[in-house]
Order: sequence, then C-alpha cells, then structure tokens
Amino acid sequence: SYELTQPPSVSVSPGQTARITCSGDALPKQYAYWYQQKPGQAPVLVIYKDSERPSGIPERFSGSSSGTTVTLTISGVQAEDEADYYCQSADSSGLVVFGGGTKLTVL
Amino acid sequence: QLQLQESGPGLVKPSETLSLTCTVSGGSISSSSYYWGWIRQPPGKGLEWIGSIYYSGSTYYNPSLKSRVTISVDTSKNQFSLKLSSVTAADTAVYYCARHTLYSSSWTGGWFDPWGQGTLVTVSS
Repeated sequence: SYELTQPPSVSVSPGQTARITCSGDALPKQYAYWYQQKPGQAPVLVIYKDSERPSGIPERFSGSSSGTTVTLTISGVQAEDEADYYCQSADSSGLVVFGGGTKLTVL
Repeated sequence: QLQLQESGPGLVKPSETLSLTCTVSGGSISSSSYYWGWIRQPPGKGLEWIGSIYYSGSTYYNPSLKSRVTISVDTSKNQFSLKLSSVTAADTAVYYCARHTLYSSSWTGGWFDPWGQGTLVTVSS
C-alpha cells in the first residue's frame, strides 16, 4: 500500500525556521495537504494544494513541492506552533493517505 | 460557519458493530462541491482515513477497512453515518468527521476542512 513518510520529530528554537518533510512516490502527480494538531484537539488544515494557505492561517506557514518530497515551512516559529503535523495526499487511484505525523518541539 | 458534530456510543463490545453519526450545521450536506469523510486516530497514533461519501450516496473507502465499513448519508437530516462491523480492540480510536473538498470534478485526493471535535470509541467487553 502507498505510504507517505515524515520524520517522527523536529526540534527548533523560537524565532527559527522549522521544515517538515513528507515523501511519497505519487507526490509529483498528487497535491499535498498539511494539518496541525494540538493535544486533545481536532486537526486543523494549514496548507492545501501544496502551497495554498487557508484564510486565518498565519503567513509564517508555507508549503512547497519538489519531486517526491513536499515541505511544510514555519518561519519565525512561536511556542504556540508546538504540535503534531500531518501531511496528506492520495495514491494513484485518488484514495486518501496520511503521513505518520511529525512532532514539532519548540525548545 | 460550517460545523460538524459526531455522536454515538462511546463503548462497543468486540465483534459488534460501531455506529456513529455526523451532523452538519451551518451549510447543506447536499452541496455539489463536497464529499463528507470519516477519519480515525488510535490513542497516541496517527490519522487514518476511513472513507468518504457524496450527497448522492457515492462512496470511496480505505481498502484496508473496506470489507467492514459502510458510510451512508441522510440529506433530509443533514447527516452522514459510519458503520464498522466486527470491531476489535484495534478499532479503539477517536473518530472524526470532516468536510472533504476535491480539487477537481473527478474523485482524486482533496483535503479535509473543517473537522468535528471527534469522539472516542472504545472497544471492550
């Protein structure tokens, strides 16, 4: 079955830039989406269609795509950005797949 | 503002059928622009897509769960529902419903926004 691979954890100091990657063979042909999930809360969409930002999401969140890897970048990380981040895309049949998630720690 | 709310039993016995309903408010489930999806998250683990449904009844399921899953829609009540049969402890999870937006007129991928708050379902005797 198709898989999206994320690093289990990323650590960054406040004010620095965090980059979270997601790799998958179908990513050159399928859009990627990113969600932020804080403890005890439902996921929140932060990036859609690789690099689009929903209204209400801070500009420090951005997304990019290159080949089989997509990247969520958080510029000027704040303490409130500490959360789990999940990428999501689709396999060649269009069926939905989530990555395993990355825990972002703000040191 | 669109809101989704899951409801259903929080405890299900092994081998029985898990049944949940998602009530949509602030918008119509019959909108031609959206599917409606179920996603689950076992305690301490990641997200798993279960399946999605269009208001017409068209469905797509995760192949790993397809043999046990049924998703249905009731447009008169602005609700859609999940049934998962023959449950085991491995089905213990927080179950979320969400609006599923496709980026084209044909089925492929798409994103989930907004999400319901989620409901914990425990499978135990």
